[in-house]
Amino acid sequence: SQQGEEDPQALSIQEGENATMNCSYKTSINNLQWYRQNSGRGLVHLILIRSNEREKHSGRLRVTLDTSKKSSSLLITASRAADTASYFCATLNTGGFKTIFGAGTRLFVKA
Amino acid sequence: EPEVTQTPSHQVTQMGQEVILRCVPISNHLYFYWYRQILGQKVEFLVSFYNNEISEKSEIFDDQFSVERPDGSNFTLKIRSTKLEDSAMYFCASSETSGSPLTQYFGPGTRLTVL
Repeated sequence: SQQGEEDPQALSIQEGENATMNCSYKTSINNLQWYRQNSGRGLVHLILIRSNEREKHSGRLRVTLDTSKKSSSLLITASRAADTASYFCATLNTGGFKTIFGAGTRLFVKA
Repeated sequence: EPEVTQTPSHQVTQMGQEVILRCVPISNHLYFYWYRQILGQKVEFLVSFYNNEISEKSEIFDDQFSVERPDGSNFTLKIRSTKLEDSAMYFCASSETSGSPLTQYFGPGTRLTVL
């Protein structure tokens, strides 16, 4: 079984619309993180939500966490063409040394 | 803002050759990591390194791989005898601490192409 599976795999929206990406995971976590990756580039850390938090905001980003369902969502409001990228959720293993990434959602925002 | 840097950005090598990928982590960070991403696939953990030794490694990180912190600033990944399937983006990361909460800062990656 995979840790950190996102859906949808791909999402295409118009500029100005909101984009919602979901992530499910299998094991207990201390925190969950979202990263962005522009095509062929490195990973940019977006936001971390702890297991005792239910919602967190950062600018146009809103992350929710439901530990009972082992799921998280990332909402990008008022999307821009520059938001076009792949978005990954990631969880930390129990020992704290290994970040496990999901397969990612490829977001395409049309201008 | 401090950042993780990696060199080279793109490395092309022949199968069976040794390659060394270099990383300069953020200067006050103590934990270092390598990940790889085969084209179109997930980012996969390879190894973590702390206090001059490996903390954890994945099943991918076999005897062909090694890591080293040769001086106070560089962190390297060596692949002794490259295979075609080693072609991937390799990301270095560093963090101040391990455990929770943890933010790993990633470098831009080295694209390794094995011919």
